[in-house]
Parts: sequence; C-alpha cells; structure tokens
Amino acid sequence: DTGVSQNPRHKITKRGQNVTFRCDPISEHNRLYWYRQTLGQGPEFLTYFQNEAQLEKSRLLSDRFSAERPKGSFSTLEIQRTEQGDSAMYLCASSFRREENYGYTFGSGTRLTVV
Amino acid sequence: KNEVEQSPQNLTAQEGEFITINCSYSVGISALHWLQQHPGGGIVSLFMLSSGKKKHGRLIATINIQEKHSSLHITASHPRDSAVYICAVFTSGTYKYIFGTGTRLKVLA
Repeated sequence: DTGVSQNPRHKITKRGQNVTFRCDPISEHNRLYWYRQTLGQGPEFLTYFQNEAQLEKSRLLSDRFSAERPKGSFSTLEIQRTEQGDSAMYLCASSFRREENYGYTFGSGTRLTVV
Repeated sequence: KNEVEQSPQNLTAQEGEFITINCSYSVGISALHWLQQHPGGGIVSLFMLSSGKKKHGRLIATINIQEKHSSLHITASHPRDSAVYICAVFTSGTYKYIFGTGTRLKVLA
C-alpha cells in the first residue's frame, strides 16, 4: 500500500450519463475526503467520512452527487445525469491523525470531462 | 475576497533563480501547509507550519502568525520545480483545508 489510489485517472462522458469514481485510501486511515478542483482554482471540499459514516456534505454536493464508504475502506463518488459544469478534477484524500499536524495524503485525482 | 490569497498567480523563472511565493490569510489558523501539485493532478505535502521556519533541501517555508503571512522560497530553481504551489490552512478544530488558488511556477532551462 503505497498511497491513496483513485480510479479511473481520466473519464470522458456524454452529458446526461452517470459516472462513478473510486478511491482506495491508505489502509490504516479512517478518515476520507472528496474535493473538487476546477481549472485555475484551489480544491473545494465536497464531503468527509470517518470510517463508514458520512459526517459532512458540502452544499456543492447537489442531489445528483452521492458518495459512499460502505465498509469504511474504499469510497465511491457517483454523479448522475452529468452536466458540463461537472467537468473538474475530483481529488480523494485520507488521514488518520490530527489533520492540522499531519495533513492529508492525496490521491492523483480523477479528471472528468463532460462533453 | 478569498480567505487564503496567494501571489503571484503565475511565475516564470530562469533556472538557478531564487523564487518566492507568498500566502496571506484572513482567518485564525491552527496550521498552514504548502502543497505541490504536478500537471497530472496529484498533490504532495511540502511543509506544515504553525510557527517559524522550516527547510528541506532547496525549499524554505516561513510563517508570521501576527501578520497572517507565509512565504515559500525555492533556492537555485530547476525545471523540475515547475508545478502549481498551493497554500492551504486549517482553522482551529476543523478537518477541512481552506485552499489558496495556487501559484503556477514554470522554471525555464
């Protein structure tokens, strides 16, 4: 286990289709985060899990977005009825200690392009 | 106005130059992190600061809590330093980063 793994790395989809991304965190990390990053901007918080519990969802996470972490290990982020505005880099990160001291470990991201 | 501001937004330097990237924030923080993001998207942590100064190789990071300002310096810059450098802060008791918009650095050979 060398880090946070995200799949796929790139996804091109037609508007209106559903897409699902997967994140495998570092195995001993109980905290998992999803962020979204658009071109030229810093990442924006989407949602946070502690083990399998989703403890916070940003208002950015509309009804078309859903995230799960069913066994407290990997997580999935699904976008239904994709729109062109959903095109972005979706970043996953994990941690298990005090974030202000140790920060997160980020994955390489999934770049979504909606055409 | 963003809570975390970085300057400059874009920076082009010649190999060997000394580079400074600045970060100012308007919120109370428990820690500030400097992160590096390469074109592929992955983000790597460079430094975590709550006070003073840290050095790692050619990179130096400083923070002034009273002035709510941090700087990242790169000495003897190299083309492989080309990346986006992001300043991010944690406010007390939160697990969420507040990110700056990043500084896109290009070092020319």
